[in-house]
Amino acid sequence: DVKVTQSSRYLVKRTGEKVFLECVQDMDHENMFWYRQDPGLGLRLIYFSYDVKMKEKGDIPEGYSVSREKKERFSLILESASTNQTSMYLCASSPTWGGGTDTQYFGPGTRLTVL
Amino acid sequence: KQEVTQIPAALSVPEGENLVLNCSFTDSAIYNLQWFRQDPGKGLTSLLLIQSSQREQTSGRLNASLDKSSGRSTLYIAASQPGDSATYLCAVLVAGNTGKLIFGQGTTLQVKP
Repeated sequence: DVKVTQSSRYLVKRTGEKVFLECVQDMDHENMFWYRQDPGLGLRLIYFSYDVKMKEKGDIPEGYSVSREKKERFSLILESASTNQTSMYLCASSPTWGGGTDTQYFGPGTRLTVL
Repeated sequence: KQEVTQIPAALSVPEGENLVLNCSFTDSAIYNLQWFRQDPGKGLTSLLLIQSSQREQTSGRLNASLDKSSGRSTLYIAASQPGDSATYLCAVLVAGNTGKLIFGQGTTLQVKP
């Protein structure tokens, strides 16, 4: 089974802190994604990566950056956390694009609270 | 821009009922449509995937249909059980080799014993 793990289930940080969210997948997937999920807004894509050291902006990249130094690991960085970044963060991975059968495998999520 | 809408936002039914969740999307240029389940505070689990050339997929008590021309999908749950209580999310994989999924906001289902 594909396993996607996230470094923390719950995280509490203060405004202005630098925050690192880590995601690791064990299936040698090329693609990795970071989403945030908020009530009434659904899942929104922050960044994704289709190869090591490659990244693409999603729909809401402002205030975030990412790092992918190794294939299995994709990190989301909040350079200076703000209260409006309080959210559930979900990481996902998928194999290289094959088209119609592609799906994504999700981690358990990190609930981040910024005070 | 692709938009995905799910109706209703919430649904409460007694155990044993058959029910239908609805999903609509605005752009038919998709590779597939997927239904996910999310338990409170947890990640997403894939339930069914319908490729753009297919009409439906079945898994146990779940049946999902796809009408790409009208931009609609339904998830049918037969003989609902309390364990089916969760949020169900619909997502489309947009065409164009980006691997991007566009999600609806979900339908939260409660099945009462």
